[in-house]
Amino acid sequence: GNSVTQMEGPVTLSEEAFLTINCTYTATGYPSLFWYVQYPGEGLQLLLKATKADDKGSNKGFEATYRKETTSFHLEKGSVQVSDSAVYFCALAGGTSYGKLTFGQGTILTVHP
Amino acid sequence: GAVVSQHPSRVICKSGTSVKIECRSLDFQATTMFWYRQFPKKSLMLMATSNEGSKATYEQGVEKDKFLINHASLTLSTLTVTSAHPEDSSFYICSAGGEYGYTFGSGTRLTVV
Repeated sequence: GNSVTQMEGPVTLSEEAFLTINCTYTATGYPSLFWYVQYPGEGLQLLLKATKADDKGSNKGFEATYRKETTSFHLEKGSVQVSDSAVYFCALAGGTSYGKLTFGQGTILTVHP
Repeated sequence: GAVVSQHPSRVICKSGTSVKIECRSLDFQATTMFWYRQFPKKSLMLMATSNEGSKATYEQGVEKDKFLINHASLTLSTLTVTSAHPEDSSFYICSAGGEYGYTFGSGTRLTVV
C-alpha cells in the first residue's frame, strides 16, 4: 500500500532561516503529492501540490519538487517567518489507494523572532 | 475557490450521548467525502470514505456502528459519534473530493466528559 514518511520534528528555527522538511513516499503508479499546513486549532489547508514527476509546486515562498527517482517531495523555504509556525503534512493520493489521501506523520515547525 | 464548512468547531458532551458533526461543501458538489481523526501530535487517520447516496466504506479497525456516516446529498455529509466515551475525544476533520481536488473542513474538537 501507499505510505509517506516525513522527517521527525519538531523543527525550531530563527526568523529568516532556511527551511527543509524531508518527505519520501512509497506508492505504485503515479501518485499526486501534496503539502498541507495546519495552524493551531484549525483544519488543514493545501499549501502546494505536484501531479507528475519533475513538477514543482510553489506557494507563499514554499517549494517542493516531485522527484520520482528518489521518491521524494521535500518542502523548502528560503526565509521563514514567525507566521509560518504550524504543523506541515506531506501527503499523496493515487497509487494503490485511488481517491484517498495518505498522510505523513506531520512536522511541527516553530519559528522564533 | 472551494470551501467546506464544518461544524460545530468545538463540542463538549457527556459520556453516553451522541454527537453529530456536519460538513457542507459550498459552491461545489462533493461526490466523495472523507472523514479523518487526528490524535494530539499525530497524523490524520482516515476513518471512512463516503460517496453520495451509498454506504460509507470504513477503514480497518473503525467501528461503523459507533461512527455513523451519512452522505445524503452532494453537499452534505454527517458523522455521528454514538454513545460517546472519553476515548472518542479527538479532532475530527472532513474532506470533500470534487472538481477542486481535496478541500478540508476546519475540524471539530470533540471532548467527552
